[in-house]
Amino acid sequence: SAVISQKPSRDICQRGTSLTIQCQVDSQVTMMFWYRQQPGQSLTLIATANQGSEATYESGFVIDKFPISRPNLTFSTLTVSNMSPEDSSIYLCSARTGRGSYEQYFGPGTRLTVT
Amino acid sequence: KQEVTQIPAALSVPEGENLVLNCSFTDSAIYNLQWFRQDPGKGLTSLLLIQSSQREQTSGRLNASLDKSSGRSTLYIAASQPGDSATYLCAAYNNDMRFGAGTRLTVKP
Repeated sequence: SAVISQKPSRDICQRGTSLTIQCQVDSQVTMMFWYRQQPGQSLTLIATANQGSEATYESGFVIDKFPISRPNLTFSTLTVSNMSPEDSSIYLCSARTGRGSYEQYFGPGTRLTVT
Repeated sequence: KQEVTQIPAALSVPEGENLVLNCSFTDSAIYNLQWFRQDPGKGLTSLLLIQSSQREQTSGRLNASLDKSSGRSTLYIAASQPGDSATYLCAAYNNDMRFGAGTRLTVKP
């Protein structure tokens, strides 16, 4: 299994600013992902964080708005840039070991409110 | 493109009742199906994972079944408790993980 922590757990930010969310996994994992969950909605995949290369973004998400880093097999960051109230969501980091069951694990989430 | 549907969207039951949550998916070529629990404003907790070659998995009062041919999975909760109140999400994995919209469960004391 994998235990995932995220920082910050929540934040209130002003329109036009940026926030970087950190994700730490307690073991080396093959795949790391970032999801967004808007109020009352299910999870939407933003991107797959690739170790040592650029992230792979889903349709509707772009690198300029959501730059992602993954410098090693246990850590990733997601930045939400030039924020607007529509970015208010829970942002979730997720990881998959890529071995055996391919079970996917999730962090506790970062609750972002943009005013 | 895989689509995952969960029925019902919301469910309210008295404590002690047995209940079933349903999940259906359109593409049966899945690698596995995972059930999660999400408390309000929190992340996801993995409950059960069923591999494509398996028919069911059990953990305590929870039992999940998988019928790939019909594109269905069910989560059975026995003797429900108020602490079971949460949103339950299913997710099907082939090339990527696709989530249902969830079933919001309320167990009344």
